Amino acid sequence: DAKTTQPTSMDCAEGRAANLPCNHSTISGNEYVYWYRQIHSQGPQYIIHGLKNNETNEMASLIITEDRKSSTLILPHATLRDTAVYYCIVRANRDDKIIFGKGTRLHILP
Amino acid sequence: GAGVSQSPSNKVTEKGKDVELRCDPISGHTALYWYRQSLGQGLEFLIYFQGNSAPDKSGLPSDRFSAERTGGSVSTLTIQRTQQEDSAVYLCASSLSAGNTEAFFGQGTRLTVV
Repeated sequence: DAKTTQPTSMDCAEGRAANLPCNHSTISGNEYVYWYRQIHSQGPQYIIHGLKNNETNEMASLIITEDRKSSTLILPHATLRDTAVYYCIVRANRDDKIIFGKGTRLHILP
Repeated sequence: GAGVSQSPSNKVTEKGKDVELRCDPISGHTALYWYRQSLGQGLEFLIYFQGNSAPDKSGLPSDRFSAERTGGSVSTLTIQRTQQEDSAVYLCASSLSAGNTEAFFGQGTRLTVV
């Protein structure tokens, strides 16, 4: 079973920052937070992951609360191509299957 | 290869027939995953291979479904006596599985059972 809770859908204006929340109140100390997205008719794509420190890469930033019970994925300047379903996943270190929840359907509005 | 390759990209089969779906993972990746995605639905975990360990088959929906991974590389997902509810996109992914690593997904096989 998925260990995360995400809003079903969100809208964001093109060019603005998209902030996608995720609750993972039962996360264990050895579990990381991963984010993937799935653009229509494509396979999922890895975005970013982290343990407890905030992380940033060329695609997004990941902000994890100090108690690690929630996190936020930030797309700094959303474009129409960012329209997708975004999945927040908690996963233990190595040798663990990846369980996807229902994700958040993000609509970027022109 | 450069990415995870799945074949065929599309498969139409008659109800009751057996089908085999193939996944070529990224070279050197020891972990391999199979998922199923029905129209408009999320990703349903099917099976997970990690190196030489026994596979995690906990997601297989029935005994009509099976998967093999030969030589730690190519994997085949077999569905016997296909039913219309088996119609879905079947996605394969692989990862290095050395610490925390990202999984790379193929483009999937769209299976239609008529």
